This record gives sequence, structure tokens and C-alpha cells, in this order.
Amino acid sequence: DSGVTQTPKHLITATGQRVTLRCSPRSGDLSVYWYQQSLDQGLQFLIQYYNGEERAKGNILERFSAQQFPDLHSELNLSSLELGDSALYFCASSPRRSRITNTEAFFGQGTRLTVV
Amino acid sequence: AQSVSQHNHHVILSEAASLELGCNYSYGGTVNLFWYVQYPGQHLQLLLKYFSGDPLVKGIKGFEAEFIKSKFSFNLRKPSVQWSDTAEYFCAVIPISSGSARQLTFGSGTQLTVLP
Repeated sequence: DSGVTQTPKHLITATGQRVTLRCSPRSGDLSVYWYQQSLDQGLQFLIQYYNGEERAKGNILERFSAQQFPDLHSELNLSSLELGDSALYFCASSPRRSRITNTEAFFGQGTRLTVV
Repeated sequence: AQSVSQHNHHVILSEAASLELGCNYSYGGTVNLFWYVQYPGQHLQLLLKYFSGDPLVKGIKGFEAEFIKSKFSFNLRKPSVQWSDTAEYFCAVIPISSGSARQLTFGSGTQLTVLP
């Protein structure tokens, strides 16, 4: 158990809908990362938050957004869903941004999103 | 932006064979390097990491990796694979120079299949 919790584990929804994925980082970790894993794109970095602020953006679509709350949990919002958004969405956490040297990211179990 | 290349997409070995998975990264500064493993249906788990010092690092389950700075490589090795090593392996890098976003960037992954 990595200590990172993601809910729900599975989600099936229709095209055009909106969903919210939730991530609770390890206790004390301030950084949260979101990744998308699909068969054709591999593991893609989406976005990073540190202590409530956005710190880095990767290949995140405009239809997607995220936030990190004061209690450090994070939510990834996916809207106007398309079939191609079907993927495994991972959240990871790590302790500190400026001291990320000598640490690693711990991954949650992922949320498998299926858009039908 | 940094990138990570894993040249082998799918490797098939028999039990007891030796394994070497290639990983090259493109970033001129100092990096932290990681290998993660993803067993079927599970989340990513850290196999080993390199921060500094001895370029030969040992990880869990008999895996090791060698950092060769001049070649920008961090190849994963195991002398004798087991059927239970069947999984997908991801190389990842974090640049740690000042001003970098500390983004954990993954390679495309190598699927290892070990035949009993």
C-alpha cells in the first residue's frame, strides 16, 4: 500500500458527461501529480499541484481541470468526455517541491475510466 | 523539455534468462532517475532510484540499474528473471536543476513477458 488513495476505482460514463476523480496523498505529502495512462499514449503527465497551487502542466486538455484543496486532497475534473478519454488515471504524491531531490513519487491504484 | 526513451516495447524471455532494459533520457543537467514496475492490474511501484553517488544502484527483487552519465542512460538489469517478473517497466526522470518544475517524466514503458 503506497498510502495514496484514489476514488473511485472504476467509473463508466457516457460521452459528453463530466466526472470527478479524487486523490488523497500520503500523509504529509504536499505535491500531487496526475497522470493518464492509455494504450496509445502511454503514461502522460497531466498536472502537478504543490500545497494548493498549480506548479506544472503537462499534456492536459482544456476540457480537464484539477485543484488541490487545503486538506491537500486533489480532484481531477474531466468534462465533455470523449471515447478517447478512456484510460487509467493515476495520482501520485511526494513530500516537498523544492526538496524533491532524494525522494520519489508514490502512486495510487488509479481510477479506470471507461467512456461509452 | 526532458524526454525519456525506452527502446524495447516488448521483451519476451524464458525463466532464468538475463534481462537488460534500455533507458535514455534527454536533459543536460542533474537528474534523479527511477525505474517503476506495474504488475497486471496494479499501480506503479518503485523498483529502484538513483540520486547521486555509486552509479550502480540495487533495487528490490534482484533488480539493479547503472547510471552512465556520458551516455544519458539508466539501464535496468536482472541476472535471472522469474515468471513473476512479467510486468510493464517504466523508466522515469526528474530534473533537479533550479527553476525546473520537478516534473516526473516517464518513458513509454517496456512490457516484459517471462515464459515459464
